[in-house]
Amino acid sequence: DAGVIQSPRHEVTEMGQEVTLRCKPISGHNSLFWYRQTMMRGLELLIYFNNNVPIDDSGMPEDRFSAKMPNASFSTLKIQPSEPRDSAVYFCASQGPLASDTEAFFGQGTRLTVV
Amino acid sequence: QKEVEQNSGPLSVPEGAIASLNCTYSDRGSQSFFWYRQYSGKSPELIMSIYSNGDKEDGRFTAQLNKASQYVSLLIRDSQPSDSATYLCAALDTGGFKTIFGAGTRLFVKA
Repeated sequence: DAGVIQSPRHEVTEMGQEVTLRCKPISGHNSLFWYRQTMMRGLELLIYFNNNVPIDDSGMPEDRFSAKMPNASFSTLKIQPSEPRDSAVYFCASQGPLASDTEAFFGQGTRLTVV
Repeated sequence: QKEVEQNSGPLSVPEGAIASLNCTYSDRGSQSFFWYRQYSGKSPELIMSIYSNGDKEDGRFTAQLNKASQYVSLLIRDSQPSDSATYLCAALDTGGFKTIFGAGTRLFVKA
């Protein structure tokens, strides 16, 4: 397996524009997580899905953020409209079905810069 | 709110010394714990997992878990400059779905 695949790796956009980040989890994993990492706040969990269903979105900072998982092999995180304070590295991670004996595998991340 | 707390560091140790990283967690129902290493500009990668009280050794790494004290630690023996990174402690919450991460401890190993 190629691991968790995120795209794009880097994104530079202007304030007010819509940004869509994409993630393909590891095949067979049934939990998917979106994290945001900044120097100030560390690694923050934004939302996670189990079996394609959003379980906990309490980490989503504002209504400008939305996430979808239309099937087991694809998820998106959308920011509309984007703001400079959204600049961060966004990680997607997936986890296998054995909840008591598994760990999260991370994608390479998307570095988002909003100018 | 369930939390994992770590000292942010930086922790600086000389090459060849033992580096000791610690964290505490708030969710008493957590049963699975992990240490991830993150190099600058890279994604976190798992280096150790521990599920039972006591020590677990893997090469130069030893993870220690004390559920009564809600305490997890990572010892790195014979530290190398290549060990310089941020180490993230994580706990799987009671429901078993969500991994909660600490803010990470930055480790510098001086040659």
